[in-house]
Amino acid sequence: QVRLQESGPGLVKPSQTLSLTCTVSGGSINSGTYYWSWIRQPAGKGLEWIGRIYTSGSTNYNPSLKSRVTISVDTSKSQFSLNLSSVTAADTAVYYCARIMAGTSLVFDIWGQGTMVTVSS
Amino acid sequence: SYELTQPPSVSVSPGQTASIICSGDKLGNKYACWYQQRPGQSPVLVIYQDNKRPSGIPERFSGSNSGNTATLTISGTQAMDEADYYCQAWDSSTGVFGGGTKLTVL
Repeated sequence: QVRLQESGPGLVKPSQTLSLTCTVSGGSINSGTYYWSWIRQPAGKGLEWIGRIYTSGSTNYNPSLKSRVTISVDTSKSQFSLNLSSVTAADTAVYYCARIMAGTSLVFDIWGQGTMVTVSS
Repeated sequence: SYELTQPPSVSVSPGQTASIICSGDKLGNKYACWYQQRPGQSPVLVIYQDNKRPSGIPERFSGSNSGNTATLTISGTQAMDEADYYCQAWDSSTGVFGGGTKLTVL
């Protein structure tokens, strides 16, 4: 059974770069059937899609975050990563990694448990 | 940018039918998904491709999508269905979530 696990610092200082990694286990990250994605959720608020990456390295980002976001993949480690630069308190949220199953439609079929990131000095 | 709009809250009595709507410009021309999120948990896919249920999702969950509105329907609502529900669609290569609807079963 495929599992996703987020990891990274729980506290980031304002203006610095938030860096998270998602490790994929129980299945291949290299399968052409899937994209890999990041979503975040501020406390008490809704879900916000950050971006996605295909194993070829092709990426798509939320236009509202595009200037600050980089998503990359390391297939040798079965990991994909999120970098969000110039963070502010508004970036404080639970960050989820998720698998997108590509078929007739694209669906987030498997989610990680989420990791809380606080932006504070 | 593309937006999906949901009512903040919906209430339903146990055993009754709950309907949660999601509105977006020409949403019926896209595929809609629905995710259930219980407190402190990660979202779970309950409906995809407008009206399909993943394995393990009870038959009481159904969906439809036409015009500018997608609807998640829960028939015979149970206490365990109390959760936040999010609609989601793709606008070209951009993922979009609705603001979420808190379903209260009382």
